[in-house]
Amino acid sequence: DAKTTQPNSMESNEEEPVHLPCNHSTISGTDYIHWYRQLPSQGPEYVIHGLTSNVNNRMASLAIAEDRKSSTLILHRATLRDAAVYYCILRVTGNQFYFGTGTSLTVIP
Amino acid sequence: DVKVTQSSRYLVKRTGEKVFLECVQDMDHENMFWYRQDPGLGLRLIYFSYDVKMKEKGDIPEGYSVSREKKERFSLILESASTNQTSMYLCASSGQSLNTEAFFGQGTRLTVV
Repeated sequence: DAKTTQPNSMESNEEEPVHLPCNHSTISGTDYIHWYRQLPSQGPEYVIHGLTSNVNNRMASLAIAEDRKSSTLILHRATLRDAAVYYCILRVTGNQFYFGTGTSLTVIP
Repeated sequence: DVKVTQSSRYLVKRTGEKVFLECVQDMDHENMFWYRQDPGLGLRLIYFSYDVKMKEKGDIPEGYSVSREKKERFSLILESASTNQTSMYLCASSGQSLNTEAFFGQGTRLTVV
């Protein structure tokens, strides 16, 4: 099974950048790296995804290691609304999404 | 605005009851998924479907079945509910390409008493 490993929790000060790491050493060449976040009492929401190159969108940036065995989600300026559980997921051939247990991000005012 | 809608936010059922959880998406997605979420265990895949009448087991299919008679609707069935099936259930849908994201419903919190 494709699996990801993330720290259980992280803290950040408000308005500072946050780097959320993820290891996915068993990734194969066609697997996409996805990130989702889940706010309390809500379903997960999409943040960003990529295959090989770094990606940017209005929410975040995704930095993918050259060997693709790890990636980092970057929130450029954390706000209180960014406090959530962040999931790093592999989307694999066969169309499954494999979730780990995620990183709970606390943003300190 | 794209939507995945789950029929109930909260359900309370008795042990042994047959329970239906319904999920509808309006994005014409081929893939639909059912997950359960428990504290400390993250999201675990129960079943997914990649087309009408097609289904694949996920990591924890025991005690569950699914039905997909129409493209937009994916139902999760607990044939005989048990207390260890008390959980948050999340439905999701996505396009076929690996280069597309999934959209999730708000979840159904099921309590089996």
